[in-house]
Amino acid sequence: KAGVTQTPRYLIKTRGQQVTLSCSPISGHRSVSWYQQTPGQGLQFLFEYFSETQRNKGNFPGRFSGRQFSNSRSEMNVSTLELGDSALYLCASSAGTGGPSPLHFGNGTRLTVT
Amino acid sequence: SQKIEQNSEALNIQEGKTATLTCNYTNYSPAYLQWYRQDPGRGPVFLLLIRENEKEKRKERLKVTFDTTLKQSLFHITASQPADSATYLCALLNNNDMRFGAGTRLTVKP
Repeated sequence: KAGVTQTPRYLIKTRGQQVTLSCSPISGHRSVSWYQQTPGQGLQFLFEYFSETQRNKGNFPGRFSGRQFSNSRSEMNVSTLELGDSALYLCASSAGTGGPSPLHFGNGTRLTVT
Repeated sequence: SQKIEQNSEALNIQEGKTATLTCNYTNYSPAYLQWYRQDPGRGPVFLLLIRENEKEKRKERLKVTFDTTLKQSLFHITASQPADSATYLCALLNNNDMRFGAGTRLTVKP
């Protein structure tokens, strides 16, 4: 079974621009979660989607948004980029059916904002 | 506010010894607790899950304990090897909401 795939792997953007990151979950997984990882803050939860609906949301500003498609693939968008948005963005998929399903992570998109 | 604290940012031990990592939490009532391993430049990889009604779980050289009274989990790696060097993250799950600690970077020296 193919793992979680995130594209692109690296991205360099300028302040004020917007960016879209993509995540393809493991086949059959209906839940996709997004996390931001920085050296100072660790893994911070952004949001979780299940069957195209946002089910949980972390404490991030509205500039961070996401969506999930009918094939469970997900995208997250960050608008009006700030220097502090530089981070590793990780996507994780799971069965998401309410039990303690482990998260399966991709290797992330490294976003650098200059 | 809710907090998950992994007490040591970094832990250095000698090969063959037991590594013990700590995860404490406040203002949570997690139904499950998980441990993950993360290598540089990679996403975290799931290692073990323990339920709130379980005291201890083992998998090969790994052992996890979960004390809901102390609000603490301990993660042990016995007979540690240099290949165990990585960052280890604890994660609390409650109602589809998974939150992570900051991680402990373990270095096992030969």
